[in-house]
Amino acid sequence: KQEVTQIPAALSVPEGENLVLNCSFTDSAIYNLQWFRQDPGKGLTSLLLIQSSQREQTSGRLNASLDKSSGRSTLYIAASQPGDSATYLCAVYTGNQFYFGTGTSLTVIP
Amino acid sequence: DGGITQSPKYLFRKEGQNVTLSCEQNLNHDAMYWYRQDPGQGLRLIYYSQIVNDFQKGDIAEGYSVSREKKESFPLTVTSAQKNPTAFYLCASSRGQGMGISNQPQHFGDGTRLSIL
Repeated sequence: KQEVTQIPAALSVPEGENLVLNCSFTDSAIYNLQWFRQDPGKGLTSLLLIQSSQREQTSGRLNASLDKSSGRSTLYIAASQPGDSATYLCAVYTGNQFYFGTGTSLTVIP
Repeated sequence: DGGITQSPKYLFRKEGQNVTLSCEQNLNHDAMYWYRQDPGQGLRLIYYSQIVNDFQKGDIAEGYSVSREKKESFPLTVTSAQKNPTAFYLCASSRGQGMGISNQPQHFGDGTRLSIL
């Protein structure tokens, strides 16, 4: 069964700092990996999707990479802002199901 | 605007009562999903449906039931057999299997928070 792990569980950084969130998965037979943001009490907002044939995707200050063979993905956030404070989740798609990590809670301190 | 609508936002259940959570999407997606989210845990899959009139159990289906009579709708019933129903419930959809399967983003509703009276 696919297992998805996110480390660290929580992260606190000063405003302006660049940071990296990590996601690992046990089975490399995936179709894509998706990064989401979740604000307290809200649903998930999609940030980036990387197809299995791709190595990275970029959107604004966000860059996500995928190394399928090693079962790893990173989400890089440049020049962090207080508005980036949220929980970030990664999920892999196996063709019929999505498997989610437990998330990294990010706090950006002004 | 296309999206997923979950209702109600908050729901309370009495002992021995069944309650139904609504999920409607106008994205023309074939696949729909129900997840449960508990504090400190990731999303856990309850049920999913790849097509109308068909659905499969996820990892924690016991105590729950679903129906998929219309493409747009995938209601979840939390039955009295679910002994610990207090959680945040999220509905999602995606285009489903078929062409472009590797480009299958999942879209989420805003969730329903269920509590026990």
